[in-house]
Amino acid sequence: QVQLVQSGSELKKPGASVKVSCKASGYSFKTYALNWVRQAPGQGLEWMGWINTDTGKPTYAQDFTGRFVFSLDTSVSTAYLQISSLEAEDTALYFCATKGARGRIYWGQGTLVTVSS
Amino acid sequence: QSVLTQPPSVSGAPGQSITISCTGSSSNIGADYDVHWYQLLPGTAPKVLIYANINRPSGVPDRFSGSKSGTSASLAITGLQSEDEADYYCQSYDSSLSAWVFGGGTKLTVL
Repeated sequence: QVQLVQSGSELKKPGASVKVSCKASGYSFKTYALNWVRQAPGQGLEWMGWINTDTGKPTYAQDFTGRFVFSLDTSVSTAYLQISSLEAEDTALYFCATKGARGRIYWGQGTLVTVSS
Repeated sequence: QSVLTQPPSVSGAPGQSITISCTGSSSNIGADYDVHWYQLLPGTAPKVLIYANINRPSGVPDRFSGSKSGTSASLAITGLQSEDEADYYCQSYDSSLSAWVFGGGTKLTVL
């Protein structure tokens, strides 16, 4: 069965960087695009963008350009979200998600990134 | 401002039925893109209740159902239970934005 397993919670200081991983299993990794979604405290779900798992080409939503980078390691079926120059406002739950066969959506369990001095 | 519009809150007594609407436009729901519904509990991943408009993953009770018509979609919950109290979100794809789009979320209170 399709599973997306994300890395654990992170506590970072302002200005630092963080790299969140999302390991896929149960399907051919290059078949489906991988999306990233953010949920800030007390807020709704916000689409950050997606990465083409076949070509590696990322596409970023308007609010997530510059400090956010999507990448892949296809040898281990893993996608990454890196955020640099962390700010307190980056404190959030970050999810990876993919749309698979027959339109079914699968989500990772989420990674809490806390930015605090 | 969310691309998809949901009511901020709905409520119902145990055993009753409620419906949550999700209104979009001709570039998302009206363009025949799939609508998905999620239940969110604090600090947890979205639980898929309905995918591709009407489909329920295994393990989701048949008290939950989805429908779609024109530029809108709806999530219906029958036989409300206390554990249904949560936030609910709809999601689709928008061709003008080339993006996944979400509703603003609806808080369900079971009275």
